[in-house]
Amino acid sequence: EDQVTQSPEALRLQEGESSSLNCSYTVSGLRGLFWYRQDPGKGPEFLFTLYSAGEEKEKERLKATLTKKESFLHITAPKPEDSATYLCACFFNDYKLSFGAGTTVTVRA
Amino acid sequence: DTGVSQDPRHKITKRGQNVTFRCDPISEHNRLYWYRQTLGQGPEFLTYFQNEAQLEKSRLLSDRFSAERPKGSFSTLEIQRTEQGDSAMYLCASSPREGRDTGELFFGEGSRLTVL
Repeated sequence: EDQVTQSPEALRLQEGESSSLNCSYTVSGLRGLFWYRQDPGKGPEFLFTLYSAGEEKEKERLKATLTKKESFLHITAPKPEDSATYLCACFFNDYKLSFGAGTTVTVRA
Repeated sequence: DTGVSQDPRHKITKRGQNVTFRCDPISEHNRLYWYRQTLGQGPEFLTYFQNEAQLEKSRLLSDRFSAERPKGSFSTLEIQRTEQGDSAMYLCASSPREGRDTGELFFGEGSRLTVL
């Protein structure tokens, strides 16, 4: 069965302390890997799409990378406004996006 | 505002009652999704429409759940005879594209259901 696993479940960082989040997947036919940000009480907000191993995408302090079995979301010099839950999702077929449980990031000033 | 709109944002109901949620997708988006999210978990796929056709339903969707998208515009999700286990955030999302870009979903703010 296709699965998406994220680690760690929670991450507490000091402002400026860079770190990485992991998303591993077991799939029978990955069509794309997506990162979303979710603030409390809100719907997820799209961040990045990655399609092939070796691909990288950047947005402000966030950088997403993809290998054949996992993806990393690197947060460089985070600020308190980067506090959120980051969700990884895999697109396994023509329509269904399967999400991991997310990593909740808290950045202290 | 041209984002995905969901109504109501919050619903508290007693066990056994029926509830209905409405989703208005971004105009001209032909793909519409319903997801359910419980605390500490990622969204779980429930069902998917392409225009007015419901193309897939998750096995999570028991026969108490029904979704419609008449005329390929707004969608409704109805839960009959609610149970406490139905308490969750119900998220609607839409997508405009065909092919591999359809993984980029635009989510609404969600409808939070509490069943007492």
